Amino acid sequence: DTAVSQTPKYLVTQMGNDKSIKCEQNLGHDTMYWYKQDSKKFLKIMFSYNNKELIINETVPNRFSPKSPDKAHLNLHINSLELGDSAVYFCASSQRRTSSGANVLTFGAGSRLTVL
Amino acid sequence: AQTVTQSQPEMSVQEAETVTLSCTYDTSESDYYLFWYKQPPSRQMILVIRQEAYKQQNATENRFSVNFQKAAKSFSLKISDSQLGDAAMYFCAYRSKNDYKLSFGAGTTVTVRA
Repeated sequence: DTAVSQTPKYLVTQMGNDKSIKCEQNLGHDTMYWYKQDSKKFLKIMFSYNNKELIINETVPNRFSPKSPDKAHLNLHINSLELGDSAVYFCASSQRRTSSGANVLTFGAGSRLTVL
Repeated sequence: AQTVTQSQPEMSVQEAETVTLSCTYDTSESDYYLFWYKQPPSRQMILVIRQEAYKQQNATENRFSVNFQKAAKSFSLKISDSQLGDAAMYFCAYRSKNDYKLSFGAGTTVTVRA
């Protein structure tokens, strides 16, 4: 039983195309995230949704549009793909309020996007 | 904005020995959480250990322990009795108590020599 699942795991596409990455979590968490890991392995948050409401929107080109149809799903759509969009995209989820308060993130396995 | 600094891009350790990874962070807040995540070649991000800033006691998880120095804003990870499976990239991360965002350091690649 995969806790946070992302599809596809690998995606190779041409510049200018539009693509989507889907994410689903079965942990019952109320908050989901998209992180981008660049070629130097640096992880940076892009978006976060809490109960389908956008709560974090970092400085990301508006070609990137997250969509959360319900609190178990957070999809990432990317328009007009550019070479610099090549990266690994991680979905994650967490429960905002827990007894420990630590709000630990559980990550998916990542989706490697290659733009040619 | 909070920043997390990992000053060691790479560390190498002999199997069964101990290695310590350093992490410092910058914050003006008093209540926050710190984490170490492991990313093996499979690229899965795995939580190793976490520390609540209000707790003075250092967290431990089996062979993994931290040295949390709040005044110095330092959060180092010690891996004892290193095993081949510990080879991975390790990320230090910070989250403010009232924030959703987890900020990561640049990572340290750990190599374990047989």
